[in-house]
Amino acid sequence: GENVEQHPSTLSVQEGDSAVIKCTYSDSASNYFPWYKQELGKRPQLIIDIRSNVGEKKDQRIAVTLNKTAKHFSLHITETQPEDSAVYFCAASRGSGYSTLTFGKGTMLLVSP
Amino acid sequence: DAGVTQSPTHLIKTRGQHVTLRCSPISGHKSVSWYQQVLGQGPQFIFQYYEKEERGRGNFPDRFSARQFPNYSSELNVNALLLGDSALYLCASSPGSTNTGELFFGEGSRLTVL
Repeated sequence: GENVEQHPSTLSVQEGDSAVIKCTYSDSASNYFPWYKQELGKRPQLIIDIRSNVGEKKDQRIAVTLNKTAKHFSLHITETQPEDSAVYFCAASRGSGYSTLTFGKGTMLLVSP
Repeated sequence: DAGVTQSPTHLIKTRGQHVTLRCSPISGHKSVSWYQQVLGQGPQFIFQYYEKEERGRGNFPDRFSARQFPNYSSELNVNALLLGDSALYLCASSPGSTNTGELFFGEGSRLTVL
């Protein structure tokens, strides 16, 4: 089955700095890679996703890059703000209606004012 | 539009007891998945149902079971509870077979086993 590795497990940055979280996956058939943000006591919320036919996707301050050859994808957050503090999860799936998401173990991002 | 709703939000059980968790998907969504999230870990897949049929099962013991009803709502049942079953149980819905993979999560049911 799929295995997703995520690092770092914790990341502390100063407000305004950039943050990068990296994930690797094992299943070459995976083609859908979402990122979820989970605040304390809340549900995971999709913040951005990318599919295997795209190498990079941006949405305001966040971007995701995908390298299918190397089987890794990354989340980039620029101009971090204290409200970006949360746990971020990467995930991978085969992208069909019956496929399941395999999650990484999460990265706790702390943005200090 | 209402999102995915789950009940109860919190519950406490003792070892050996049984628990039933409930989930209502987003209107129009026909697929429901269940995930277990242990503190400090990412969600782990338990079950997926589509059109009342089980479409996938994760690496969980037979104490875990689920079903989907004609209105697409779902129940997750866990028998003979163990301390290690303490977790946040997340339900997620998606449109179904034509879905491209995106899941919409509920707020979860936080189970504590004493």
